[in-house]
Amino acid sequence: GAVVSQHPSRVICKSGTSVKIECRSLDFQATTMFWYRQFPKQSLMLMATSNEGSKATYEQGVEKDKFLINHASLTLSTLTVTSAHPEDSSFYICSATGDRGEQYFGPGTRLTVT
Amino acid sequence: AQSVTQLDSQVPVFEEAPVELRCNYSSSVSVYLFWYVQYPNQGLQLLLKYLSGSTLVKGINGFEAEFNKSQTSFHLRKPSVHISDTAEYFCAASAKLTGGGNKLTFGTGTQLKVEL
Repeated sequence: GAVVSQHPSRVICKSGTSVKIECRSLDFQATTMFWYRQFPKQSLMLMATSNEGSKATYEQGVEKDKFLINHASLTLSTLTVTSAHPEDSSFYICSATGDRGEQYFGPGTRLTVT
Repeated sequence: AQSVTQLDSQVPVFEEAPVELRCNYSSSVSVYLFWYVQYPNQGLQLLLKYLSGSTLVKGINGFEAEFNKSQTSFHLRKPSVHISDTAEYFCAASAKLTGGGNKLTFGTGTQLKVEL
């Protein structure tokens, strides 16, 4: 149980385009989802907290207009990187919490902006 | 705010040797502690967690950790490592666990490299 999927696993896009990443909780309803980014050989940096049906809460320094988060249902949250630039290239990981609050992590999405 | 410190960025160890990965956290009234493992280009997998009760926690793949409140530590141990244990290990802390989910604060990670 407690499986979280992400799609796509890898994506390459051109500078200036937008990319959408999906995060799904497959066998449970997620009250809260988190989005992280991870640079090579570094730890996870929390970008935002997403609650179903409400606006995401962004961490300090994260541009909410650039990283659009939508949490339309209890099993799906999406992160859209708008007008992507090479510096947005990173590994993006989502996590979802069940009713006990434990976080279950997705497998990550490798974004490369050329 | 919570902080988590992993002093060792890399730990090389020979196969079948024991290993300890260190983790210290900032003191909090109620703290929940976790160890995650990350293989290359993958997400995080929960190894074990301490929520309450016994201070010695056993997890998957033969790992265990001991919660030490007086030393604010939660070191991860394995008596005999295998090549397949080569990965990045993250210690994390959560100040409170509720139904809405609380933020995890991660340490900087420790790269465990098991050599033949």
